[in-house]
Amino acid sequence: GAGVSQTPSNKVTEKGKYVELRCDPISGHTALYWYRQSLGQGPEFLIYFQGTGAADDSGLPNDRFFAVRPEGSVSTLKIQRTERGDSAVYLCASSLKGNHEQYFGPGTRLTVT
Amino acid sequence: ILNVEQSPQSLHVQEGDSTNFTCSFPSSNFYALHWYRWETAKSPEALFVMTLNGDEKKKGRISATLNTKEGYSYLYIKGSQPEDSATYLCALYSGGSNYKLTFGKGTLLTVNP
Repeated sequence: GAGVSQTPSNKVTEKGKYVELRCDPISGHTALYWYRQSLGQGPEFLIYFQGTGAADDSGLPNDRFFAVRPEGSVSTLKIQRTERGDSAVYLCASSLKGNHEQYFGPGTRLTVT
Repeated sequence: ILNVEQSPQSLHVQEGDSTNFTCSFPSSNFYALHWYRWETAKSPEALFVMTLNGDEKKKGRISATLNTKEGYSYLYIKGSQPEDSATYLCALYSGGSNYKLTFGKGTLLTVNP
């Protein structure tokens, strides 16, 4: 069946601009996670959704980052006033209910110039 | 803050060589250990989930062992092939209702034909 998909695969934006990154989880998966991999680092947890609500957003680095999942399926990660330090690969994962066995998408590579 | 360490950072081997790499983690915060293979522009692929001390798992030419008392896991690849070239990530789940995975920085394996 279809896996987790993410769009766009690559995004180049200028410093100060707003970006949205989209994640389509596996159908039927109620839990959704966002991670970020900066250069030279492992992926780091950003936020966990159970259904429509953010169950844990403790990994969001600051208030420029926000994520939504209004219908409990597709999620959008929104970054305001992008900075060069936001350049990273943003990974989305989903799982049946809440589960540490997570299925990952291919990521969106964000470059802020 | 949990510290998951992987070594080496990168590795070049010849086709046919066998190789192994290490993931170390705090033994006091263990629930499960995941290994993923991540090829460029693709989704991280789950290789193994390991939960019990002394676990050994095998998938084709790849195998993994787990020592939760001393806090390490080894991943072995027998008879490396060019298609094994990828970044190998380990991730610790230390319990908790957010199901957050804490990743190491990965080992980049390049297999030369």
